[in-house]
Amino acid sequence: GNSVTQMEGPVTLSEEAFLTINCTYTATGYPSLFWYVQYPGEGLQLLLKATKADDKGSNKGFEATYRKETTSFHLEKGSVQVSDSAVYFCALSGPPTQGGSEKLVFGKGTKLTVNP
Amino acid sequence: NAGVTQTPKFQVLKTGQSMTLQCAQDMNHNSMYWYRQDPGMGLRLIYYSASEGTTDKGEVPNGYNVSRLNKREFSLRLESAAPSQTSVYFCASSETIRLAGGYNEQFFGPGTRLTVL
Repeated sequence: GNSVTQMEGPVTLSEEAFLTINCTYTATGYPSLFWYVQYPGEGLQLLLKATKADDKGSNKGFEATYRKETTSFHLEKGSVQVSDSAVYFCALSGPPTQGGSEKLVFGKGTKLTVNP
Repeated sequence: NAGVTQTPKFQVLKTGQSMTLQCAQDMNHNSMYWYRQDPGMGLRLIYYSASEGTTDKGEVPNGYNVSRLNKREFSLRLESAAPSQTSVYFCASSETIRLAGGYNEQFFGPGTRLTVL
């Protein structure tokens, strides 16, 4: 079945440091890939997505490239801020169900803390 | 628009008690989902509903029941709570009609933190 493996945390960085959170996946077919972010006390929000190989998703200074050859979707940001402190989840979605629902498979999450 | 709302925000139950978690969305989405989030486990799908009147099991459905009351509301019921059901529960919704090569984003509620003693 489909699965997602992401870098174990927690990750602690200083402000303006470079961030990489690794994510690899196993899936049949051609899944769509996502990064979700969860700020303290809140639900998940979609951060960025890529729906086909070599696509680059980007948002709020974060980027991730869909690499089919290495089955990876690593999250990067060149200069993190204190406000980026959150839990980041890598996820994939295969073909929709017969009824049209999207079934997401999540990684375990990586907690990022950015210190001033 | 409120998006996806969940009630209650917090709940403490004793083993064997029952309760229903409520979820509503105002985005006119067809699909709705229930997930549980446990430390070190990420989110796991409990049940989902592609449309009013239909529900399907996800990855971890045992011990739960769901009702898609109407297009807006999707409730999750624990008939006899167990300590293993201590978790944070998230409801989400998404559109259903997928454009070619596209994807329908899931929108999440703020969660319900449930403790079963």
